[in-house]
Amino acid sequence: DAKTTQPTSMDCAEGRAANLPCNHSTISGNEYVYWYRQIHSQGPQYIIHGLKNNETNEMASLIITEDRKSSTLILPHATLRDTAVYYCIVRVPYSGGGADGLTFGKGTHLIIQP
Amino acid sequence: ETGVTQTPRHLVMGMTNKKSLKCEQHLGHNAMYWYKQSAKKPLELMFVYNFKEQTENNSVPSRFSPECPNSSHLFLHLHTLQPEDSALYLCASSQDAVAAEAFFGQGTRLTVV
Repeated sequence: DAKTTQPTSMDCAEGRAANLPCNHSTISGNEYVYWYRQIHSQGPQYIIHGLKNNETNEMASLIITEDRKSSTLILPHATLRDTAVYYCIVRVPYSGGGADGLTFGKGTHLIIQP
Repeated sequence: ETGVTQTPRHLVMGMTNKKSLKCEQHLGHNAMYWYKQSAKKPLELMFVYNFKEQTENNSVPSRFSPECPNSSHLFLHLHTLQPEDSALYLCASSQDAVAAEAFFGQGTRLTVV
C-alpha cells in the first residue's frame, strides 16, 4: 500500500470548516483513499472513501486532486465532538487472497477550539 | 454503537495468567480483525480472518493466539504476557475482502502487571 503524509496536528474553530490534507504521491491507479477517525479511547470510525472523483456523505467531503497525489477531507461545520485523530489510508480494497486489513499511520490530531 | 462488541472493556492480568478477549458482531460480516494500539504508536494489524480462515498473521508472538469459531465471534487468547503487551486491543469486522468500511469495537484496555 502507498504511504501517506499528514500534518501531526491542526486546530480549527468550532463552526468553521476543517480541511485536513493528505499527501499520497506514490498512489497507484487502483488504490483508493480512505479516511477514518479515532476519538479518544474509542475504536476508529470510518468516514469516507474515494478513488478519483470527489465524494460527499453526511459526515464529510473528500476532494482528490486530478493527479491523485493528494486529497483533502473537509468537515463542513466542525463541532467539539469532531476533536479526534484523523487517518488517511490508501489501499487496494481487494488485493487477493482474502481481507488484508487497514494500515494506519500516525494521523492528524484535529483539535476543535470553542 | 458500531455493532461490534468487545468484552471485557478493561483487563488487568499477571504475567503468568491466561485470559481471553472476546469480540462479537451480528452484522453478517465475513471478515474479522485484531489490532493492537500501544501508547503513542499507530494501530498495528495482528490477525485477519476471512470466512473463518486466518489469512494473515503479522509476525505476532505465540503468546497471542486467535480463534474464530464462527463468522460472528473472534477470540484472542493470552498467556504469559509481558508488561510491554499492555495496550488497547481492538477488534474490527467488514462485510468481506472487498468492503471499504470496517467497523471497530470499543476495544479492551489490557494492563499486564
